[in-house]
Amino acid sequence: DAGITQSPRHKVTETGTPVTLRCHQTENHRYMYWYRQDPGHGLRLIHYSYGVKDTDKGEVSDGYSVSRSKTEDFLLTLESATSSQTSVYFCAISHSGTEAFFGQGTRLTVV
Amino acid sequence: SQQGEEDPQALSIQEGENATMNCSYKTSINNLQWYRQNSGRGLVHLILIRSNEREKHSGRLRVTLDTSKKSSSLLITASRAADTASYFCATEGIDDKIIFGKGTRLHILP
Repeated sequence: DAGITQSPRHKVTETGTPVTLRCHQTENHRYMYWYRQDPGHGLRLIHYSYGVKDTDKGEVSDGYSVSRSKTEDFLLTLESATSSQTSVYFCAISHSGTEAFFGQGTRLTVV
Repeated sequence: SQQGEEDPQALSIQEGENATMNCSYKTSINNLQWYRQNSGRGLVHLILIRSNEREKHSGRLRVTLDTSKKSSSLLITASRAADTASYFCATEGIDDKIIFGKGTRLHILP
C-alpha cells in the first residue's frame, strides 16, 4: 500500500465547531487531493494541491479550506461545521499522469 | 458538474458473464482512469489509459477510450463474486485535477 494515512478515521462534532482532517504521505508525491463521498454523488473534489503552498479549488470547495506547508501533509479544515458536511472524506496522492492512491477515509458526522 | 458520468448506475449479472460499464466526460483530458471500491473501503486503481491510447488490457479488464466521443468503457470478462463492488471512472484534466464520476454499482449473482 502507498504510504498515505488519514487522521482521524472517525469523528463526531457539533454544528458550528471547526474541524481539521489530516492527510500524511511518505511517498513524496507532488499532488494531493481531498474528496468527499456521499450516496448518489460519487467522489467530489474539494481542494487539491500541486505543491507546497500551492492549492486550488475543486468542485465543492465552499465551507472548506486547505493548507500544505510540507510535502507530506495536506490539511482540510471545516471552518464552521454544518450538517451538510457529514460525509466520508478521502485523501489521495499522485504524480502527474499516473494513478492516484487513496487513504482509508475519514467518517465525519456533524450533529 | 462532474467530469465523468458512468452508465449504468447499477448492474447485476450472473457469475461468469461479462460486465460492461461506460463513462462519458466533457473536456480535454490527459488520461482516464478506472477504480474499484469495495463497500466502505478506499478506492483501488485498476487501469489508466492515456489520451493517445485507444485500448488497454490488464488481466480480465479491457478498457477502451474514444476521445472523439469523449467516452470510455470498462469490460470485465468472466465475472466472479469478488468483482462485486462500485466502479468509478476518473479523468485527469490538463490542469492535473482528477475528477470522478458517480460510479456504477456492480453485483455479481451466484
